[in-house]
Amino acid sequence: DQQVKQNSPSLSVQEGRISILNCDYTNSMFDYFLWYKKYPAEGPTFLISISSIKDKNEDGRFTVFLNKSAKHLSLHIVPSQPGDSAVYFCAASAGHNAGNMLTFGGGTRLMVKP
Amino acid sequence: KAGVTQTPRYLIKTRGQQVTLSCSPISGHRSVSWYQQTPGQGLQFLFEYFSETQRNKGNFPGRFSGRQFSNSRSEMNVSTLELGDSALYLCASSPPALFPDEQFFGPGTRLTVL
Repeated sequence: DQQVKQNSPSLSVQEGRISILNCDYTNSMFDYFLWYKKYPAEGPTFLISISSIKDKNEDGRFTVFLNKSAKHLSLHIVPSQPGDSAVYFCAASAGHNAGNMLTFGGGTRLMVKP
Repeated sequence: KAGVTQTPRYLIKTRGQQVTLSCSPISGHRSVSWYQQTPGQGLQFLFEYFSETQRNKGNFPGRFSGRQFSNSRSEMNVSTLELGDSALYLCASSPPALFPDEQFFGPGTRLTVL
C-alpha cells in the first residue's frame, strides 16, 4: 500500500514553460513534505520542502503547493530549463518525531525539451 | 567538504550469499539512513542510525541489518540473498536538524543478485 504516490511516471515540457509535478499521500500523520531531484548514477538531491502549517513555499524557480484537505502537493518549475531534466521524487515525513525516516513516491521523469 | 561515500559502487552476488555495504557520512553528520531503490517499489526506507543506535526501522525482513560505528560510518548487511534484493542501495547522512530537510545522499551501491 503506497502511502505516497506520483501518478505520472513521466512528463515532457518545452523549455521556458511551466512544469507541474504532482504527488498524493494517504497518511494523515505526514506533516512535512520534500521534493528531491535525481540524475542518473547520482543520489537524490534535496530541492525544496514544505511544512503542513503552510500551503506554499517558494525558492527561486521552484514552488511547492500543499493542499492538506486533498492530501495533495505539487511542484511547479518556472521557467523550465533543459538542466531540470531528471527524476523528481516526492517524499513525506511524520515530522521530527520520525527522525529522518522518509516515505518516497515512485518518481516522475521530467524531460525539458530545448 | 567531502560528500557521502559508499563502497563498493557495484556488486554481484549469488543467491544465498551475504553482503556488506559501507557508507561514510559527511564529516560532522551523526545520522545515517539507508534506502533501497527498485524499479517496482521505488525508494524504500530501510533503517536510520543515530549515535550508534537504530532510531527508525522500515518494513524489511530481519535479513536486512545495519550498524553504526563511533565515527558515524555505517554498514548494512543482507544475509541469505534473494533475487529480489537486486537494487540500488542508497545511504544518506544528516546533520542535527528539527526536520529532515538536509539529507545528503551518496551515489549508491548497485547490488545484483544472480
